[in-house]
Amino acid sequence: DIQMTQSPSSLSASVGDRVTITCRASQGISNYLAWFQQKPGKAPKSLIYAASSLQSGVPSKFSGSGSGTDFTLTISSLQPEDFATYYCQQYNSYPFTFGGGTKVEI
Amino acid sequence: EVQLVESGGGLVQPGRSLRLSCAASGFTFDDYAMHWVRQAPGKGLEWVSGINWNSGSIGYADSVKGRFTISRDNAKNSLYLQMNSLRAEDMALYYCAKGGCSSTNCNFDYWGQGTLVTVSS
Repeated sequence: DIQMTQSPSSLSASVGDRVTITCRASQGISNYLAWFQQKPGKAPKSLIYAASSLQSGVPSKFSGSGSGTDFTLTISSLQPEDFATYYCQQYNSYPFTFGGGTKVEI
Repeated sequence: EVQLVESGGGLVQPGRSLRLSCAASGFTFDDYAMHWVRQAPGKGLEWVSGINWNSGSIGYADSVKGRFTISRDNAKNSLYLQMNSLRAEDMALYYCAKGGCSSTNCNFDYWGQGTLVTVSS
């Protein structure tokens, strides 16, 4: 099975900060990588798919990059509504796997 | 508007069975793969199972293989998860998620609100 390792597991940031979260796959997954945002008590929301494609309706302050085993999610200017937990996920092959999550806090 | 509504969760004793359902609307159901994802209280997301558009490709997490069965009824726009031999570690909020295309290798673009499964004696 492909293991997904996210770092950091949590981070403290301020409004207006640029934030970067990394995700590493235990083997190559091409660009079959997605990013999700989850707020407390809510279902996850899709942000990025195919490593760098923005889901419809997602603001352009979110961006993704990478291919193979190393990926990043960047939030260009953190806003209050962006404080949440972020997950990466590989969908290259079954069983699909998620990273452990990164909690972005003030 | 895409809607995914899960149902069937509840309190069940260890070793018993439960069947979850996901009613889909707002899109052509049989054009897309579907998935189940769960989240234990205070924990991260865990993919459970996925099924392509015509049930020809199915996958399971190692933790549920042999105990859970995913299925779909395209005529009823519904996704199911039959869960047998339930364990305490299966207790979680179970989400239904829509794939972004018909085949296996697709992102998840929409999620339901989840149905809670509690396993306890």
